[in-house]
Amino acid sequence: TQLLEQSPQFLSIQEGENLTVYCNSSSVFSSLQWYRQEPGEGPVLLVTVVTGGEVKKLKRLTFQFGDARKDSSLHITAAQPGDTGLYLCAGLPTGTASKLTFGTGTRLQVTL
Amino acid sequence: KAGVTQTPRYLIKTRGQQVTLSCSPISGHRSVSWYQQTPGQGLQFLFEYFSETQRNKGNFPGRFSGRQFSNSRSEMNVSTLELGDSALYLCASSLLETGGYEQYFGPGTRLTVT
Repeated sequence: TQLLEQSPQFLSIQEGENLTVYCNSSSVFSSLQWYRQEPGEGPVLLVTVVTGGEVKKLKRLTFQFGDARKDSSLHITAAQPGDTGLYLCAGLPTGTASKLTFGTGTRLQVTL
Repeated sequence: KAGVTQTPRYLIKTRGQQVTLSCSPISGHRSVSWYQQTPGQGLQFLFEYFSETQRNKGNFPGRFSGRQFSNSRSEMNVSTLELGDSALYLCASSLLETGGYEQYFGPGTRLTVT
């Protein structure tokens, strides 16, 4: 079983601060996705990275896939209250086309 | 385009009963996956259906089953409910044939077993 460990588990910061969330595994993934989930809703896909070393930007969010495709990071610049939510990484293990493995989650709270 | 819909949104059942949850994928999506989300275990994969066939299965007991209809709508069933089955059950649909590549989630069904 491929496990994806996320750190930190919880993060409470003030508006305007920067933060980084990490997603680590000992296994190699063919692709990795990041989702954000708000209370009472299902996760919403933010980005998919497929190439080792790939960096993608989505406004104030920067996603990076590790060179060895075993880890990823999410960096948020100048966090806003609207960024509050549960951030989940999800990896698609090599060789299995349809069985996503989700990370343990990082709960982010951004206050004014 | 309408998103993934799940019914019911909330459900309260008693231990030993059975429950059926329904999921309608985004139009054109043929892959439907089901997940269980709990505070302790996080989001765990239950199974995935594509063209009415179960393509992949997670590590859940046989009490958890599912099916997919010709219009891609899917149902999951849990028999002989246990207290530990209380969770948010999420359905996700995917456009690509391989599934799992980009998942579009519904709002979930919150199941409480008493």
